[in-house]
Amino acid sequence: QVQLQESGPGLVKPSQTLSLTCTVSGGSISSGGYYWSWIRQHPGKGLEWIGHIYYSGSTYYNPSLKSRVTISVDTSKNQFSLKLSSVTAADTAVYYCARALRSGFLDYWGQGTLVTVSS
Amino acid sequence: DIQMTQSPSSVSASVGDRVTITCRASQGISSWLAWYQQKPGKAPKLLIYAASSLQSGVPSRFSGSESGTDFTLTISSLQPEDFATYYCQQSNSFPRTFGQGTKVEIK
Repeated sequence: QVQLQESGPGLVKPSQTLSLTCTVSGGSISSGGYYWSWIRQHPGKGLEWIGHIYYSGSTYYNPSLKSRVTISVDTSKNQFSLKLSSVTAADTAVYYCARALRSGFLDYWGQGTLVTVSS
Repeated sequence: DIQMTQSPSSVSASVGDRVTITCRASQGISSWLAWYQQKPGKAPKLLIYAASSLQSGVPSRFSGSESGTDFTLTISSLQPEDFATYYCQQSNSFPRTFGQGTKVEIK
């Protein structure tokens, strides 16, 4: 059973960089066949796809966030990470990591972590 | 970006009712559509993929269908554990986009 777990600071100051890591267990990122994804949900709102990474390091980002987003992978630790720079209060959200099939459907999700941007 | 528009935004129903939720894509997405269920404080859960395929472990009272750019999620007989918010998602093109959600509430 694949499990994903987000970790990182729950509070980030405006203009700083939000950094989160997703640790995958029950399966190897380097086995291929899946896209390791980040999605966020603003409080009380819908879901926004941030981007994904393949085990090889190939990425795709949402154009609305592309200038501020970096997703990276560490296959030795079976982890992938999200960095979002120059954050504002509008980046306050629950951040989820998830596994996407080649089809793009998200079949396993982490529990989510709330990140608040505030001074 | 492909816009996904769900209707209704909320529905009140009773246990045993048949519930139908619709998702309309702003352009053709073939069958590249999924449905997710989200309960408060929890991550979304994949219910239906490829418009009509039931994810493993999901009860058969959930079904999906498509007609052109309109997609439907049907719960044939609503159970207490089905009260939640439901989202559609397209994976035809990037960026992946979701509908705004439909909240199924107790009547």
